[in-house]
Amino acid sequence: DAKTTQPPSMDCAEGRAANLPCNHSTISGNEYVYWYRQIHSQGPQYIIHGLKNNETNEMASLIITEDRKSSTLILPHATLRDTAVYYCIVRFDSGGSNYKLTFGKGTLLTVNP
Amino acid sequence: GAVVSQHPSWVICKSGTSVKIECRSLDFQATTMFWYRQFPKQSLMLMATSNEGSKATYEQGVEKDKFLINHASLTLSTLTVTSAHPEDSSFYICSALRQGAKFFGPGTRLTVL
Repeated sequence: DAKTTQPPSMDCAEGRAANLPCNHSTISGNEYVYWYRQIHSQGPQYIIHGLKNNETNEMASLIITEDRKSSTLILPHATLRDTAVYYCIVRFDSGGSNYKLTFGKGTLLTVNP
Repeated sequence: GAVVSQHPSWVICKSGTSVKIECRSLDFQATTMFWYRQFPKQSLMLMATSNEGSKATYEQGVEKDKFLINHASLTLSTLTVTSAHPEDSSFYICSALRQGAKFFGPGTRLTVL
């Protein structure tokens, strides 16, 4: 699976949009981009994933560049409860027992009041 | 979203005893579940892949005789840490696969005295 690069930390004001970048310059054509987050002392929470089109759900939006070498997770209106470590993971979607997620260090997003 | 539960949420045990951790998918059937371990200030590390009705697949460096995994039904996988020692103290997290995404349990904090 392709490696990803994320900033170690970011700050965001409550109520503003949080834009978390991720570089995955070695991504291949059949690899998906997944985003998870982990609030302190809890299990990771699935946020969103995509292949090449931009995706949106009730939690966030995922913007993938045309060359797919980078992506941005957008939390449109950050709240204090969004403070967490955000992981960007790239993987080949083979499904089943070959489904492995390799977690890097992620980005610690701190939402400030 | 999908719900994965773990029990217990935390456990303290004496060195040399065995501890069983349960992972349940509450609103879906999971033929494949995964067990992760996370040490303080580190990222999640995959320990093993649990397949319903068959033997688990362990990652390199994980002792299968120490970390016993049983996946007897489509909604339950158990991880037993046998003869636990202080170095086994960690945050154990399970996950289950549903519709292309992994959903994680809340984690179990194991402390071995």
